[in-house]
Amino acid sequence: GQNIDQPTEMTATEGAIVQINCTYQTSGFNGLFWYQQHAGEAPTFLSYNVLDGLEEKGRFSSFLSRSKGYSYLLLKELQMKDSASYLCAVIDSNYQLIWGAGTKLIIKP
Amino acid sequence: GAVVSQHPSRVICKSGTSVKIECRSLDFQATTMFWYRQFPKKSLMLMATSNEGSKATYEQGVEKDKFLINHASLTLSTLTVTSAHPEDSSFYICSANLERETYEQYFGPGTRLTVT
Repeated sequence: GQNIDQPTEMTATEGAIVQINCTYQTSGFNGLFWYQQHAGEAPTFLSYNVLDGLEEKGRFSSFLSRSKGYSYLLLKELQMKDSASYLCAVIDSNYQLIWGAGTKLIIKP
Repeated sequence: GAVVSQHPSRVICKSGTSVKIECRSLDFQATTMFWYRQFPKKSLMLMATSNEGSKATYEQGVEKDKFLINHASLTLSTLTVTSAHPEDSSFYICSANLERETYEQYFGPGTRLTVT
């Protein structure tokens, strides 16, 4: 079956750095997304990786290793507003988007 | 950027009634739209993929006669929850693809449905 694993919840301190991991086993791979979702709101796009390596975008960076079926989202200089759920999603060989359950990130002062 | 709107944002209805949710792509044409539902503290669950001018493709376990989807134009898809029951209470979110190459989905703001 297809599976995406990410931690259920993480806690970090304001101003610090946090890494949210995502591992996947899917039938084929056509890209990986990270989305941010605040409580009661729809997801918003953060990043898209289809090639191995690190993509940096401001305070957020996303890494992909296709051979390991692994990605991470790195958040630097954490702010209280970064408290949200972070969803990992993979496009499989049928171009279906497979969603992880999300990681709830709690930022403490 | 690509903007997707949803209406209504919140709706409360009585058990047995039907509710229609609209999803519109405001500044682009969306050949494909997606409908999701999300229960509290749970991940997104794809309900169906809606293609303009054709029947929607429903995910396994989703009742197509209960969740009617109409994608009448390249900018509008509707989801009608028929004969709603309290267990249908959920957060319904639509999304649309802008470019096939990246498959990035742009999400609407969601509709909170409460069935009493």
